[in-house]
Amino acid sequence: DAKTTQPPSMDCAEGRAANLPCNHSTISGNEYVYWYRQIHSQGPQYIIHGLKNNETNEMASLIITEDRKSSTLILPHATLRDTAVYYCIVRVVGGYSTLTFGKGTMLLVSP
Amino acid sequence: KAGVTQTPRYLIKTRGQQVTLSCSPISGHRSVSWYQQTPGQGLQFLFEYFSETQRNKGNFPGRFSGRQFSNSRSEMNVSTLELGDSALYLCASSEGLAGGYNEQFFGPGTRLTVL
Repeated sequence: DAKTTQPPSMDCAEGRAANLPCNHSTISGNEYVYWYRQIHSQGPQYIIHGLKNNETNEMASLIITEDRKSSTLILPHATLRDTAVYYCIVRVVGGYSTLTFGKGTMLLVSP
Repeated sequence: KAGVTQTPRYLIKTRGQQVTLSCSPISGHRSVSWYQQTPGQGLQFLFEYFSETQRNKGNFPGRFSGRQFSNSRSEMNVSTLELGDSALYLCASSEGLAGGYNEQFFGPGTRLTVL
């Protein structure tokens, strides 16, 4: 699976949009971009995933660049409960592929 | 539906002992994956069970083993515990194989401390 690079930490004011970047310059054509987050002392939680088109669900939006070498997870109106470590994962879908977690980005949402 | 449950939530053992952790997946889910999380190594994949068969295995020593029952509940066992086995052990369930399009749902984890 391709490797990802994320900033170790980011800050965001409550109510503002949080934009979390992820670099995956070695991504292959059949690899998807997944985002999970882990709130302190809890298990990771799935957020969203995509292949090449932008995706949106009730939690977030995922913007993938046209060359697919980077993506941005957008939390449109961050709340204090969004404070967590956010993991960007690139993986093949199908077969016996697994989730390979990196160090992620610690997002701190402040009042 | 109830989420993924793990028991016990906290466990303290001493070196050399063995431990068994339990995971009950979401009803209808047939895949259970196990992960180890430590401050130094982060989240690492241990193994995946699907329909009572181990389908995938991470890079861990043979002291780490698991099994899955016909009701999809899974247990993992660690024998001859070492101090480095202290970690949060997470299990995740999905409807189909974890490598597919299926979303994985994680439990709250079992915090194991080895003294």
